[in-house]
Amino acid sequence: EVQLVESGGGLVQPGSPLKLSCAASGFTFSSNWLNWIRQAPGKGLEWVASINPDGSSTYYPDTVKGRFVVSKDNAKNTGYLQMNNLRSEDTAMYYCARGPNWFAYWGQGTLVTVSS
Amino acid sequence: DIQMTQSPASLSASLGETVTIECRASEDIYNGLAWYQQKPGKSPQLLIYNANSLHTGVPSRFSGSGSGTQYSLKINSLQSEDVASYFCQQYYDYPFTFGSGTKLEIK
Repeated sequence: EVQLVESGGGLVQPGSPLKLSCAASGFTFSSNWLNWIRQAPGKGLEWVASINPDGSSTYYPDTVKGRFVVSKDNAKNTGYLQMNNLRSEDTAMYYCARGPNWFAYWGQGTLVTVSS
Repeated sequence: DIQMTQSPASLSASLGETVTIECRASEDIYNGLAWYQQKPGKSPQLLIYNANSLHTGVPSRFSGSGSGTQYSLKINSLQSEDVASYFCQQYYDYPFTFGSGTKLEIK
């Protein structure tokens, strides 16, 4: 069974960093793209990052480019989202999902709240 | 960026009815479109990919169609468990973008 489990969310102050993790099981992690999608409270979905299977290519929308870094450790079957210089508008539930382009499997999400 | 305009924003229908949700892309996305269902408090679930391919395990009352810039999701014989929000997503080009969602309720 495919499983994705996010962790690392919490309450942080504006300007702070935070690193999210996504533990994968039930499939060959090293052969799959990993994506991060977020959803602000009561709002729609926003794609925030993608990484290819071997980690050599990454993609971001302009809203997070230069602040967020996606990575994956294929030996640990774990993906990461390093978020720097967090803003109030980054407050959201963050989901990891298996790619490459449509998202067939999602985790349960981890909540990030940016507030002073 | 490719903008996805989804309609309607909300929809109320009776059990057993057929409902249709539309998504219009700001440019041709060559069938690079997926549909997701999100129930309250849950993660989104994939329904349709490549505009008209049914994801594994999804009931056949869900179907997708369209081409170019216009796409639709049809739900036949509406059931109580279909109460959810529905989102389209284009993956033809980066940045991937989603429609704003349709909230489906039972009348």
